[in-house]
Amino acid sequence: NAGVTQTPKFQVLKTGQSMTLQCAQDMNHNSMYWYRQDPGMGLRLIYYSASEGTTDKGEVPNGYNVSRLNKREFSLRLESAAPSQTSVYFCASSDPIQGAISNEQFFGPGTRLTVL
Amino acid sequence: DAKTTQPPSMDCAEGRAANLPCNHSTISGNEYVYWYRQIHSQGPQYIIHGLKNNETNEMASLIITEDRKSSTLILPHATLRDTAVYYCIVRPGSGNTPLVFGKGTRLSVIA
Repeated sequence: NAGVTQTPKFQVLKTGQSMTLQCAQDMNHNSMYWYRQDPGMGLRLIYYSASEGTTDKGEVPNGYNVSRLNKREFSLRLESAAPSQTSVYFCASSDPIQGAISNEQFFGPGTRLTVL
Repeated sequence: DAKTTQPPSMDCAEGRAANLPCNHSTISGNEYVYWYRQIHSQGPQYIIHGLKNNETNEMASLIITEDRKSSTLILPHATLRDTAVYYCIVRPGSGNTPLVFGKGTRLSVIA
């Protein structure tokens, strides 16, 4: 199993450009999450999807949109990138139904995004 | 906001036990204490969790005070590869409530 995969690993954008960050998991998990991490800070939740077909805002949703394409995939879109969105983006998944004992979240390797 | 308080940094000699404290004085009855760590900008990794009893697994031990207002993560024999940021998080044990990360404790294991 690959676990949680993210593409791309690195990206540089100019202000105003758009892009989509891709995330996929092969663990048959129901819940998926997008976090961002700024230098020296903990992770902050952008959006999450409790199950296929549902999405909810997290702590810092402004400037982002998400799509839960199917059970495996959860994408994050920046419609008009801004320098304040320079960050490392992490995707995660968990399965609170099957894995209720630990409710462990599994994280991807991250996408390092720079907006000039 | 994170519901936990951790020291920003700690040092530990290689081979010694690393004891990482966490205060969570407002923890609710249905909330568990979770510990994750993040090694050099990789994605966070689950370590251990507990409700009120002490817990041990192959990675660490978790000691929770009787009043549940604080806990300590213990790495019994720290190695250089344990150098990381350690996050203490409280959340319900079931359901899909997202994790809320604070700034964590940066543990440096020194040779």
